[in-house]
Amino acid sequence: QITLKESGPTLVKPTQTLTLTCTFSGFSLSTSGVGVGWIRQPPGKALEWLALIYWNDDKRYSPSLKSRLTITKDTSKNQVVLTMTNMDPVDTATYYCAHHDYSNGDFDYWGQGTLVTVSS
Amino acid sequence: QSALTQPASVSGSPGQSITISCTGTSSDVGSYNLVSWYQQHPGKAPKLMIYEVSKRPSGVSNRFSGSKSGNTASLTISGLQAEDEADYYCCSYAGSSTSYVFGTGTKVTVL
Repeated sequence: QITLKESGPTLVKPTQTLTLTCTFSGFSLSTSGVGVGWIRQPPGKALEWLALIYWNDDKRYSPSLKSRLTITKDTSKNQVVLTMTNMDPVDTATYYCAHHDYSNGDFDYWGQGTLVTVSS
Repeated sequence: QSALTQPASVSGSPGQSITISCTGTSSDVGSYNLVSWYQQHPGKAPKLMIYEVSKRPSGVSNRFSGSKSGNTASLTISGLQAEDEADYYCCSYAGSSTSYVFGTGTKVTVL
């Protein structure tokens, strides 16, 4: 059974750096074809893909946010960490992590999401 | 990379069929058969409904089907039920530099 759970601060101040952790179980990020992605959703708005990290440590970022994002993995801890610098109120959103199947190109298992509010 | 374009809302009566379109470009939907669809109920995480344009994950009702023509992908829900009322998002692979792009989302209302 695959499960994922996001954790991190619920409130950050403008200009601060956000660090989110995705802790998962039921799969290994050292298995070929596996990835973990981050997707966010501002309140009442659409989903937006942010970043992906693959089993082979290949990393992909949204072109519009690439300069602000870093994604890393700790295979031994079954965790993926996303950092986003220079947070702004427009970054207020629910942030999801999801299991990604490289061959199918889909996000087949999702965490419950964590709401991050950016406000002074 | 712009979001894929979906109609803001689609509605239908119970038992009817509805189709949601997802229009991209030749750089994403038109170039790859890696289109997926997600259902999201209020306050819940998205759920994968269709992958690789037309394949259904185990456990997803066969009332959900997907297709693609050119730069436009479509999700059809047949035999509409009250539980299908939700937001639906498409997603496409867009090449190695962009990777993935989601659609603008469609709210499905069961009348």
